[in-house]
Amino acid sequence: SQKIEQNSEALNIQEGKTATLTCNYTNYSPAYLQWYRQDPGRGPVFLLLIRENEKEKRKERLKVTFDTTLKQSLFHITASQPADSATYLCALLTGGGNKLTFGTGTQLKVEL
Amino acid sequence: GAVVSQHPSWVICKSGTSVKIECRSLDFQATTMFWYRQFPKKSLMLMATSNEGSKATYEQGVEKDKFLINHASLTLSTLTVTSAHPEDSSFYICSAPRGGTTDTQYFGPGTRLTVL
Repeated sequence: SQKIEQNSEALNIQEGKTATLTCNYTNYSPAYLQWYRQDPGRGPVFLLLIRENEKEKRKERLKVTFDTTLKQSLFHITASQPADSATYLCALLTGGGNKLTFGTGTQLKVEL
Repeated sequence: GAVVSQHPSWVICKSGTSVKIECRSLDFQATTMFWYRQFPKKSLMLMATSNEGSKATYEQGVEKDKFLINHASLTLSTLTVTSAHPEDSSFYICSAPRGGTTDTQYFGPGTRLTVL
């Protein structure tokens, strides 16, 4: 069956450290993968997109890797801040290329 | 940047009534919009694809007669929850891709529906 799993429901780290979130998928062949941030009671906000032929992408303190052999994406936030606390969702383009299927999400908490 | 709005942001209704939720793209046109629902501490589940000028496409297991979708214009899609029941209580979110592709989707702020 098709699954998109993110490493853990919750991740607590100290301010200044690097947060690493994992997204694993099975039985998909996505053209690309996206990461979103969602705050409580709000809609997701797009962060980064990485295509199947890209290994790594960066945006400010964010870095995403995509390994289509391992069927895994890693999402890193360097120099994390309490304001980075949120739920992070990965999403794959599926269904013939016009739908996003979301992972389970990881709730990140950055502590002082 | 692109903005998608939803109205209302929250609604409480009695069981058996119908509720309409609007999704608007504010600074771009969207021939396609997507409707999701999200339960507490769960991920977004795609309910349907709203297509301007044609019928919506529903995901497996979503009742099209219960969740009526109308894509009235290039900037407006509505979701009507008909004969709402407590189990329909959820967070409903719409999204719209800009530029005709799903490369980057812009999500609305969501609508919290509570059915008593």
